[in-house]
Amino acid sequence: EDQVTQSPEALRLQEGESSSLNCSYTVSGLRGLFWYRQDPGKGPEFLFTLYSAGEEKEKERLKATLTKKESFLHITAPKPEDSATYLCAVHQETSYDKVIFGPGTSLSVIP
Amino acid sequence: ETGVTQTPRHLVMGMTNKKSLKCEQHLGHNAMYWYKQSAKKPLELMFVYNFKEQTENNSVPSRFSPECPNSSHLFLHLHTLQPEDSALYLCASSQSTRLGGEQFFGPGTRLTVL
Repeated sequence: EDQVTQSPEALRLQEGESSSLNCSYTVSGLRGLFWYRQDPGKGPEFLFTLYSAGEEKEKERLKATLTKKESFLHITAPKPEDSATYLCAVHQETSYDKVIFGPGTSLSVIP
Repeated sequence: ETGVTQTPRHLVMGMTNKKSLKCEQHLGHNAMYWYKQSAKKPLELMFVYNFKEQTENNSVPSRFSPECPNSSHLFLHLHTLQPEDSALYLCASSQSTRLGGEQFFGPGTRLTVL
């Protein structure tokens, strides 16, 4: 069964304490993997697209990497404003119109 | 208005009511999506429209009825809902379904069914 899982479910960090979030996927052919950020009471906000193993993307304190079976979102020296739920999503080759979202990791950065 | 807008932002309805959710995108995109987001569950894709044509119906009960009159507008008509349908309903758009991973979301409608 095609699925996307994320770990940990929740993560509390001290301000400045770097860490990584994991997204693992089992799909029959990957068209692309995507990271989103969702703040409480708002819709998800697109962050990154990764297409092939070995690819990396960076934006401010965030860096996303991709292997054949998983992706990591590295957060370097996080600030309280980085607190949010981070979602990953997979666009499959075999299902043209369907994007599968993972359950998300809830990140809290404590000052 | 910019991006993706949704109205109303909050909706409380009884099980016998009929209501509609509206979504409008100002991005010039050709694909639009409805998602359901419940507590502790991943985003659930409900419907996909590409160039006004429905291309995906993810086994959604018939009490949810989508309508896409043009590439900028998407509606979700609701009737005889159940309490378990209470959730955040999110609309999104993308340039096309071929580029469907890069979606732009609206703020959502928080629906409560009594």
